[in-house]
Amino acid sequence: DTAVSQTPKYLVTQMGNDKSIKCEQNLGHDTMYWYKQDSKKFLKIMFSYNNKELIINETVPNRFSPKSPDKAHLNLHINSLELGDSAVYFCASSQTSEQFFGPGTRLTVL
Amino acid sequence: QQQVKQSPQSLIVQKGGISIINCAYENTAFDYFPWYQQFPGKGPALLIAIRPDVSEKKEGRFTISFNKSAKQFSLHIMDSQPGESATYFCAAIAVGTYKYIFGTGTRLKVLA
Repeated sequence: DTAVSQTPKYLVTQMGNDKSIKCEQNLGHDTMYWYKQDSKKFLKIMFSYNNKELIINETVPNRFSPKSPDKAHLNLHINSLELGDSAVYFCASSQTSEQFFGPGTRLTVL
Repeated sequence: QQQVKQSPQSLIVQKGGISIINCAYENTAFDYFPWYQQFPGKGPALLIAIRPDVSEKKEGRFTISFNKSAKQFSLHIMDSQPGESATYFCAAIAVGTYKYIFGTGTRLKVLA
């Protein structure tokens, strides 16, 4: 059973388009996260939700909007995609201190 | 104060050798220090973690050494194996804050 799953795994799109990445966890965790990993492998937190409430909102452009319809899901919508948005996006969840990461979504903006 | 500094950026070790990765932090509120292992094309996965009330934690060939006064901690991989070639991240969190601070990562290559 996959603990944290993301779809799609790969996303290739043109500049200016709008796209969404979906994340689901079946661990029963209360907290979910979105991270961005750039080409140098730096992991940067973007957002975090706890029980469907936004608790962390880092300095991220307004074009990025997370949505948590329930505790098990955290989606990421990106408007007006730019070249610099190309990266791998990871969803993660946690209940205590340990974070469980999804397999990542590689976004390529052309 | 929120940074975690990790070194080296990359590391090449012979099979059977010892791999050592170091991290340093400034925020004394941090109270949980995990290490994550990431293979290409995969998400990071927890390898081992330590809390500041102990100076060392060992799990198999992986050991964390923790120096609270120096605000440093390190990962030692004994008898390193080629299958452990991956990127390793240290991290720190103040429990209850939900916010992990990750180091910049170390690309480890273990030569066969």
